Amino acid sequence: NAGVTQTPKFQVLKTGQSMTLQCAQDMNHNSMYWYRQDPGMGLRLIYYSASEGTTDKGEVPNGYNVSRLNKREFSLRLESAAPSQTSVYFCASSGAFRPGLATGANVLTFGAGSRLTVL
Amino acid sequence: SQQGEEDPQALSIQEGENATMNCSYKTSINNLQWYRQNSGRGLVHLILIRSNEREKHSGRLRVTLDTSKKSSSLLITASRAADTASYFCARRGAQKLVFGQGTRLTINP
Repeated sequence: NAGVTQTPKFQVLKTGQSMTLQCAQDMNHNSMYWYRQDPGMGLRLIYYSASEGTTDKGEVPNGYNVSRLNKREFSLRLESAAPSQTSVYFCASSGAFRPGLATGANVLTFGAGSRLTVL
Repeated sequence: SQQGEEDPQALSIQEGENATMNCSYKTSINNLQWYRQNSGRGLVHLILIRSNEREKHSGRLRVTLDTSKKSSSLLITASRAADTASYFCARRGAQKLVFGQGTRLTINP
């Protein structure tokens, strides 16, 4: 009963390097999300995927790309890392959102986070 | 700008006391959710209140929602050391949740 699994948990990059954060969920959820968390800023949405085959920008998409590989997996790629991308990244998933639907479909299940440092 | 702002940013109380955190938002919502985050961990969903509900209970948690004031509060009664964490409200609009900055709650023994 893994829930949402993110890899890696920790990563140190040099400016300009690229990397991909992987996320997989085993709850048959339709929607998946990538957030970043910085001190004093709360969580900010980077990208989300409402359903397999679709992706949309969130609040802070610049410098990132995403791929919804299949229903289970949603990856986040940094093509050319910058120190401003030093953060903790969280992947989350949820059932399809429909107003008034049973409570369980409207809440997010989060992964444990990936701490990224860009030097 | 952030939607769903929490107040206070930090709260420190004695074990056994009640803790109240407030959340304000700017636009209409379908529901409002509260999450807890223990240090170094991911967020965990606590409770959801729909826009047509005014109050909801779950164990020692009580959430209220005032849509006319665009505000919500989370009350934790009889606090315990294990309640030490950050608490976030999140507004559910269309396809996604938008989180506030959180309240950092410390329960002192």
